[in-house]
Amino acid sequence: GAGVSQSPSNKVTEKGKDVELRCDPISGHTALYWYRQSLGQGLEFLIYFQGNSAPDKSGLPSDRFSAERTGGSVSTLTIQRTQQEDSAVYLCASSLWVSSYNSPLHFGNGTRLTVT
Amino acid sequence: DAKTTQPTSMDCAEGRAANLPCNHSTISGNEYVYWYRQIHSQGPQYIIHGLKNNETNEMASLIITEDRKSSTLILPHATLRDTAVYYCIVMGSNYKLTFGKGTLLTVNP
Repeated sequence: GAGVSQSPSNKVTEKGKDVELRCDPISGHTALYWYRQSLGQGLEFLIYFQGNSAPDKSGLPSDRFSAERTGGSVSTLTIQRTQQEDSAVYLCASSLWVSSYNSPLHFGNGTRLTVT
Repeated sequence: DAKTTQPTSMDCAEGRAANLPCNHSTISGNEYVYWYRQIHSQGPQYIIHGLKNNETNEMASLIITEDRKSSTLILPHATLRDTAVYYCIVMGSNYKLTFGKGTLLTVNP
């Protein structure tokens, strides 16, 4: 079956513009996660969804970042008024359940965002 | 979640078994050991996970010691495409995955 799909794979934007990043999780996965990975750095948790609800938004860096999930499926991460420090690879992952030790996260290949 | 320790890098000859060790001496009884790998410019790829029994799937085998303080990921017949950074993670209830430095495995022809 298909894995986690993210689009676009690459995005170059000018400082101050808004961007939308899309994630299609694996069918049937109830949990969806957003992480970001800066060059040479580890994973940074941003937000997760259980169904359409986001119980934990603690990782969002600022109020310029928002995310939504509709129909328990597709999720969109929006960054408003982008800054150069937002440049990173934004990774989406999904899993069958949340908060289960026995439910692996499956990642997409990410969207590489470059803010010029 | 428990911290893990892995060697910084390893080399393996193509076609041979690659054995990647991981120490997790502070693991709790209900925490699983997970392995992921990341090939340059791709997202992390799930490989295998286990609690206390050895596990095998189409990609690899996972050997967990009886005291659960360490584990070994085995790629039985390494290929050049297995060159990647391999991450050992102990996952409890915290879904906020933390990847350490991992082990850079280089498979040589």
